[in-house]
Amino acid sequence: NAGVTQTPKFQVLKTGQSMTLQCAQDMNHNSMYWYRQDPGMGLRLIYYSASEGTTDKGEVPNGYNVSRLNKREFSLRLESAAPSQTSVYFCASSGQGGTEAFFGQGTRLTVV
Amino acid sequence: QQQVKQSPQSLIVQKGGISIINCAYENTAFDYFPWYQQFPGKGPALLIAIRPDVSEKKEGRFTISFNKSAKQFSLHIMDSQPGDSATYFCAARFYQKVTFGIGTKLQVIP
Repeated sequence: NAGVTQTPKFQVLKTGQSMTLQCAQDMNHNSMYWYRQDPGMGLRLIYYSASEGTTDKGEVPNGYNVSRLNKREFSLRLESAAPSQTSVYFCASSGQGGTEAFFGQGTRLTVV
Repeated sequence: QQQVKQSPQSLIVQKGGISIINCAYENTAFDYFPWYQQFPGKGPALLIAIRPDVSEKKEGRFTISFNKSAKQFSLHIMDSQPGDSATYFCAARFYQKVTFGIGTKLQVIP
């Protein structure tokens, strides 16, 4: 049982480049999330999708876009990467009631 | 503005001791308070959780104490073991949005 799968695991970008982080879950969950984790800042919500076809901004959405492609997949796009977006990105999903979020292994992104 | 304040940021405890991590919140609309455990290189995983109508929940060596009037809750790890060394996050949920504290890095030394 794969759970939540994120790709890639590591990425180095130059300032101004774009990229898409992919996330897929096989638990038939309605809700999916993107977080970033930075030292001393904890996990901060970037965007979330309560159900297929809907997306909403979290605490730190600037510089990011998302697409809920279908029930399984939720992608995060950086249109023009900046050094401030250097972080570890986690995708998560939760089922009905949202009492437990299942996290992927994370993507470590460095923007130089 | 940090909606969930967590302390301390780091904690060193001897094996067999009690680890205590504290969190405070402002939004009284939060309706669910989970704790997550994260090992290096891994994503966080749910450890234990509590609803605001319960004052205490215990699962094995892990206990959440919840004080609704003070808007505070804490995680106690009894008989702490080296395998408990990890980062712990408290969190609070409002509808589908979960807000996390900044995390506590726990090190349990032999």
